[in-house]
Amino acid sequence: GAVVSQHPSRVICKSGTSVKIECRSLDFQATTMFWYRQFPKQSLMLMATSNEGSKATYEQGVEKDKFLINHASLTLSTLTVTSAHPEDSSFYICSARNLRGGMRTEAFFGQGTRLTVV
Amino acid sequence: GEDVEQSLFLSVREGDSSVINCTYTDSSSTYLYWYKQEPGAGLQLLTYIFSNMDMKQDQRLTVLLNKKDKHLSLRIADTQTGDSAIYFCAEGNAGNMLTFGGGTRLMVKP
Repeated sequence: GAVVSQHPSRVICKSGTSVKIECRSLDFQATTMFWYRQFPKQSLMLMATSNEGSKATYEQGVEKDKFLINHASLTLSTLTVTSAHPEDSSFYICSARNLRGGMRTEAFFGQGTRLTVV
Repeated sequence: GEDVEQSLFLSVREGDSSVINCTYTDSSSTYLYWYKQEPGAGLQLLTYIFSNMDMKQDQRLTVLLNKKDKHLSLRIADTQTGDSAIYFCAEGNAGNMLTFGGGTRLMVKP
């Protein structure tokens, strides 16, 4: 199956700094990418949806100025957590899909990034 | 590493039951989830089951877990056309990392 690579898998940062998480589709064109956040012992929460070359659509309650999403190419989307605080500590996971025609509508997930803000 | 496998495709007729299967390898899984993804949308959590349970029923949905065989299934009773979507199983371990299957595309024919 298709591969989505998410990097880094784990990161520890200091409060007030920014962290960038990358999500790459390695063997297909990801027209749409989804960013999720998971709180401990809870299910995933969709944060935002991004289409290549467009601004991301954020879910209600997600601060767009804090969680900057860039999807400048068909193989790369980035999530930047700006001015991180301890409450931003969480597990972030991306998902990539190619929604341009055909049957290839599966979503492929990255491995996730465990962010710890100290 | 952990691995979660699902069949790619399932086609049923409206009104029939659908059964989507999933196998996983991580014996330390504590939670197992079923998500639904409709075209162009993100994931929607359908249901989840703790690893110490073997069955959970929620309206039209029945989850069966065979922990010995590491096999999880989702049964949808009286399947409707609105159930057409991609269904993902996922397993979570003690570290709260989720590993997802590749998704099963369910097509419901009228």
